[in-house]
Amino acid sequence: NIVLTQSPATLSVTPGESVSLSCRASQSISTSIHWYQKKSNESPRLLIKYASQSISGIPSRFSGSGSGTDFTLSINRVESEDFSIYYCQQSYSSLYTFGAGTKLELK
Amino acid sequence: EVQLQESGPGLVKPSQSLSLTCSVTGYSITSSYKWNWIRKFPGNKLEWMGYINSAGSSNYTPSLKSRISITRDTSKNQFFLQVNSVTTEDTATYYCARGGSPFDYWGQGVMVTVSS
Repeated sequence: NIVLTQSPATLSVTPGESVSLSCRASQSISTSIHWYQKKSNESPRLLIKYASQSISGIPSRFSGSGSGTDFTLSINRVESEDFSIYYCQQSYSSLYTFGAGTKLELK
Repeated sequence: EVQLQESGPGLVKPSQSLSLTCSVTGYSITSSYKWNWIRKFPGNKLEWMGYINSAGSSNYTPSLKSRISITRDTSKNQFFLQVNSVTTEDTATYYCARGGSPFDYWGQGVMVTVSS
């Protein structure tokens, strides 16, 4: 299985700060990485597909970058509704895997 | 609009089987895409369990392959998850989802507790 390592595990920020969340793959996966936001009692929501492709209805403050093994989800000027958990997921292999998540919390 | 809805018992006894249904509206499961089961454990961990594709073939994560089965009823536009010989480690919220590249539509999830 392809292992995805997310860092940091927890990120404490104040609203208005800009942040970067990291996802590293155990082997090269081209741009086959997708990002999700997970809030308590809600289903995961797709934010970014194929590393950097935007999703309709997702605020423009969310962006993604990277290829190969290193990927980044950036949030430009965090808003209060953004405090949640973020996961990366690979589809390079049809044995899909998720990262362990990064919790974005209020400082 | 595509909608997925999980259903099934919220409590299962250890060693028994867990069976869940995902009912899909707004899209035929035989048209395209893979139809997945994903679970979220207490804490943060998300685990992809497996899928059945539009042709009816299934694929499972290796750690669960010996215990799970994903099947479907095309007449009802539903697909199913069965997990055998459950333990407390199978306590989780179970989601069905479309796709994988990426998962673009999700059900609301059903919480399943394994306890005697």
